Amino acid sequence: SQTIHQWPATLVQPVGSPLSLECTVEGTSNPNLYWYRQAAGRGLQLLFYSVGIGQISSEVPQNLSASRPQDRQFILSSKKLLLSDSGFYLCAWSEGTGVNGEKLFFGSGTQLSVL
Amino acid sequence: AQTVTQSQPEMSVQEAETVTLSCTYDTSESNYYLFWYKQPPSRQMILVIRQEAYKQQNATENRFSVNFQKAAKSFSLKISDSQLGDTAMYFCAFGNFGNEKLTFGTGTRLTIIP
Repeated sequence: SQTIHQWPATLVQPVGSPLSLECTVEGTSNPNLYWYRQAAGRGLQLLFYSVGIGQISSEVPQNLSASRPQDRQFILSSKKLLLSDSGFYLCAWSEGTGVNGEKLFFGSGTQLSVL
Repeated sequence: AQTVTQSQPEMSVQEAETVTLSCTYDTSESNYYLFWYKQPPSRQMILVIRQEAYKQQNATENRFSVNFQKAAKSFSLKISDSQLGDTAMYFCAFGNFGNEKLTFGTGTRLTIIP
């Protein structure tokens, strides 16, 4: 069966420090991968999605970037964190078979606090 | 761009009662998908139910069912015989046909009272 791992679960970082959040998926090949951010009272905001290795689409211009160095690995990064980067970050995957309306499966999330 | 609106930030209901969560959306598309996701206190997002817009029949999953009104662009979730484990944040989400990205509403926090 497929599983998704996301780490760390909690992270406290000072303003201006770098960031690296990692997500890996097991049990499937060539998944679509997503990074969402959940801010209080604002639902989930799609940050990046990827349909293959090295293919990244950005939904919101911001201080963050994403990379997909391997088929089932998705990394969210920042060179210098801002206070506004605080939030709950969720990685997700879908089958990526081209079938419409595919379900998203989420990781357990990372609570990032920038101080 | 599509928008998803959940007008009830918080709701509470007695255990074993039925509760309905509201969701409206705005789109000019005719083919799309709608979802309800549950986020319990663990914060793990879990798919509750999925509806294809081209299907007139409302989706059901055990105690969970939807009332999909395409003309009104309404997609409500009904939870029957509510249980303490149903306490969670519920998000409505919209997905375009041919596009796997989802747009989420701001959520409704549901509390089941013993």
